[in-house]
Amino acid sequence: NAGVTQTPKFRVLKTGQSMTLLCAQDMNHEYMYWYRQDPGMGLRLIHYSVGEGTTAKGEVPDGYNVSRLKKQNFLLGLESAAPSQTSVYFCASSYWQGAYTGELFFGEGSRLTVL
Amino acid sequence: SQQGEEDPQALSIQEGENATMNCSYKTSINNLQWYRQNSGRGLVHLILIRSNEREKHSGRLRVTLDTSKKSSSLLITASRAADTASYFCATAVTGGGNKLTFGTGTQLKVEL
Repeated sequence: NAGVTQTPKFRVLKTGQSMTLLCAQDMNHEYMYWYRQDPGMGLRLIHYSVGEGTTAKGEVPDGYNVSRLKKQNFLLGLESAAPSQTSVYFCASSYWQGAYTGELFFGEGSRLTVL
Repeated sequence: SQQGEEDPQALSIQEGENATMNCSYKTSINNLQWYRQNSGRGLVHLILIRSNEREKHSGRLRVTLDTSKKSSSLLITASRAADTASYFCATAVTGGGNKLTFGTGTQLKVEL
């Protein structure tokens, strides 16, 4: 099993360009998440999904869009990149555990630089 | 503001010593989890403790939870150089949906 796979691993953009980060998981997990990690800030939740076709906003959703057309994939889009979106982006997934939020399985991260 | 705050921000110890990291949070939780992140890598789940539990063990890891003080601690016993990493606590807030809120992390360095 590959687990959670993120592509691309590295990307450099110019201000105003658009791009999509792809997250794929092969564990049949219901829930998927996009976080960003900045120095001294820990991880902050951007958007998440509790199932195919559903998405919800997290703590820092502005400037990002997401889609979950297939259960195994969760896409994060930047329509018009800004330098403030320079960060490391992590995708994670978890399985349904009823009332409890279970452990998250993380990808290896996608490092994005916006010039 | 962050739901979870770890203390200390950085910790340097000698191999064989114990390492203790603390996490404080602000609101009622369903569970609290600890994760580890090696430099340049993704996070890896270490242990989950539910709100009705007070202590949990996994190998060299011991986690405690005090819901009255809204705090948790992670103890790594007999540390090894390979334990060098950043450690994060994450909380599942009661009624907050199926998501975790992460703290800012503790950077642990274990020296030979």
